[in-house]
Amino acid sequence: KNEVEQSPQNLTAQEGEFITINCSYSVGISALHWLQQHPGGGIVSLFMLSSGKKKHGRLIATINIQEKHSSLHITASHPRDSAVYICAGGKGTTDKLIFGTGTRLQVFP
Amino acid sequence: DTGVSQDPRHKITKRGQNVTFRCDPISEHNRLYWYRQTLGQGPEFLTYFQNEAQLEKSRLLSDRFSAERPKGSFSTLEIQRTEQGDSAMYLCASRAASVRSYNEQFFGPGTRLTVL
Repeated sequence: KNEVEQSPQNLTAQEGEFITINCSYSVGISALHWLQQHPGGGIVSLFMLSSGKKKHGRLIATINIQEKHSSLHITASHPRDSAVYICAGGKGTTDKLIFGTGTRLQVFP
Repeated sequence: DTGVSQDPRHKITKRGQNVTFRCDPISEHNRLYWYRQTLGQGPEFLTYFQNEAQLEKSRLLSDRFSAERPKGSFSTLEIQRTEQGDSAMYLCASRAASVRSYNEQFFGPGTRLTVL
């Protein structure tokens, strides 16, 4: 079992739809990150969570530490939200990131 | 632009050749990570530096791979005798030290390596 698992692998949506991406992680993972990767490779950090909920614009991230589960929500999705969204957990004394396989999101107008 | 730069952005090489990549982190960040991402997969951890000290290496980092961070500033990742399986995106990330809380990592644009 992978230490960080996310679902779904692929997601398509119509513009304006509410989107949810889920992530579960194993014991030993500390802070939980949500990252965005556009074609061409660049990765941008969206959120870092150790508890509760964070919001930035139309993006909301939540984490349930007891259940070891996190979700990323996108409200009023837009075609420019199309990207790969990656969940990653910090681990160990170096806080290296253990990544999920990513969710490819396509939002159509 | 996250402030982390990598050079080159793309590298095409023939099997058996040596290649070297460079990462320039955000200047005040003392922690630096290298990750590798193959097509369709999430990145995987390769190695970690705190200042100039290499404190952790993944088992993925075979003896053909070596990384350095002289003077605790930029870092280099060298792959000797490249193999086709080394074809991947090599990502560098840096973060600031913090005593009280964990800080986010800032990623460079990556170096895409193709081994023919």
